[in-house]
Amino acid sequence: DIHLTQSPSSLSASVGDRVTITCRASETITTYLNWYQHVPGKAPKLLISAASRLASGVPTRFSGSGSRTFFTLSISDLQPEDFATYYCQQSYSTPDMYTFGQGTRLEIK
Amino acid sequence: QVRLQESGPGLVKPSQTLSLTCSVSGASIGSGISYWAWIRQPAGKGLEWIGRVQNSGNTFYSPFFKSRVILSVDTSNNHFSLNLTSVTAADTAVYFCARVTYDRGFHMDVWGKGTTVTVSS
Repeated sequence: DIHLTQSPSSLSASVGDRVTITCRASETITTYLNWYQHVPGKAPKLLISAASRLASGVPTRFSGSGSRTFFTLSISDLQPEDFATYYCQQSYSTPDMYTFGQGTRLEIK
Repeated sequence: QVRLQESGPGLVKPSQTLSLTCSVSGASIGSGISYWAWIRQPAGKGLEWIGRVQNSGNTFYSPFFKSRVILSVDTSNNHFSLNLTSVTAADTAVYFCARVTYDRGFHMDVWGKGTTVTVSS
């Protein structure tokens, strides 16, 4: 199984800050890596697909990069609505075992 | 705008079958080729991939759930379903349904808000 490790597990930041979350894969997944935002009680939201493709309607302050085993999600100019939990997810495994990272909780400082 | 809504019992007894339905609005499940997925989140834990079903009925299960899960699709009623057999307390979780899209890899571009299922006698 491909294991994804996110870092940090939690993060405190202020409105206007820039933050970066990393996701490491236990083996290469090329660019089959997605990022989601989840606010409890709401539907998770796709932010980034294929490592760096911004999903429709997602603000450009979100960006993704990386390939093979190392990926990053960056958020610039943090807004109040950005405080949530972020998950990476790989879709490289066959048969289907599209594992998620353990999540990074972004909190207001 | 595509919307997904999960529904089903909030309480299931151990050893019984957990059955959930995801109703789709704003899109026709039967159109073209489409995939629909189930994901869950146990309390205090991260997201777990259960599997996906193609609108033709083809299924693709996580090996972790393969022996206990059946996914199906009902194009007439525009919904898809999850059946998880022989449940235990470890299956207590929030269950999400999602649409799966392929574009340089699979990703879930629309999600439901989730429904909480508790396994308890």
